[in-house]
Amino acid sequence: DAKTTQPNSMESNEEEPVHLPCNHSTISGTDYIHWYRQLPSQGPEYVIHGLTSNVNNRMASLAIAEDRKSSTLILHRATLRDAAVYYCILRDVRLTGNQFYFGTGTSLTVIP
Amino acid sequence: DTGVSQDPRHKITKRGQNVTFRCDPISEHNRLYWYRQTLGQGPEFLTYFQNEAQLEKSRLLSDRFSAERPKGSFSTLEIQRTEQGDSAMYLCASSPRDRVHEQYFGPGTRLTVT
Repeated sequence: DAKTTQPNSMESNEEEPVHLPCNHSTISGTDYIHWYRQLPSQGPEYVIHGLTSNVNNRMASLAIAEDRKSSTLILHRATLRDAAVYYCILRDVRLTGNQFYFGTGTSLTVIP
Repeated sequence: DTGVSQDPRHKITKRGQNVTFRCDPISEHNRLYWYRQTLGQGPEFLTYFQNEAQLEKSRLLSDRFSAERPKGSFSTLEIQRTEQGDSAMYLCASSPRDRVHEQYFGPGTRLTVT
């Protein structure tokens, strides 16, 4: 699986947008970009995924660079409940299992 | 939809003992995954089932670890002759046939080996 690089930590003020970056320069054409997050003392939670086009859902937006070598998870208005570790994961879902390889992610702190 | 459940939530055992964990996936989810997570690290993949078939096992899964999913419903993960290095959070996840990008995780079983 292609490797991803994320900052170890980020801070955001409450009610402001947050842009969480992810670099994946070795991404293959069939790798999907997934974002999961893990709140304290909980299992990871699906946030969003995409292949080439930008994606929006009720939780967040995913902006994918034209060359697909980087992506950004956008939380439009951070709340205290968004404080979590955010993982950017690449996976070719055609492969058997679709198991994810989590890195160490980005720990997001939301400041009231 | 009651979510993925895991039992027990916490387990303390002495080195050398065997332990077994149970995972109940979301009903009708045909895929089931086990992960292990240590402090400060992301979850690490252990094994994967599609229905009752165990299709993949990580190199992390030594001979002391075994997992089953009889009848394609709940799953068990057994660790024999536990070692202190087995202390971790063991997470189970399931995903439906038609939304393979979405894995739903349980709360995990925290194992402490003394």
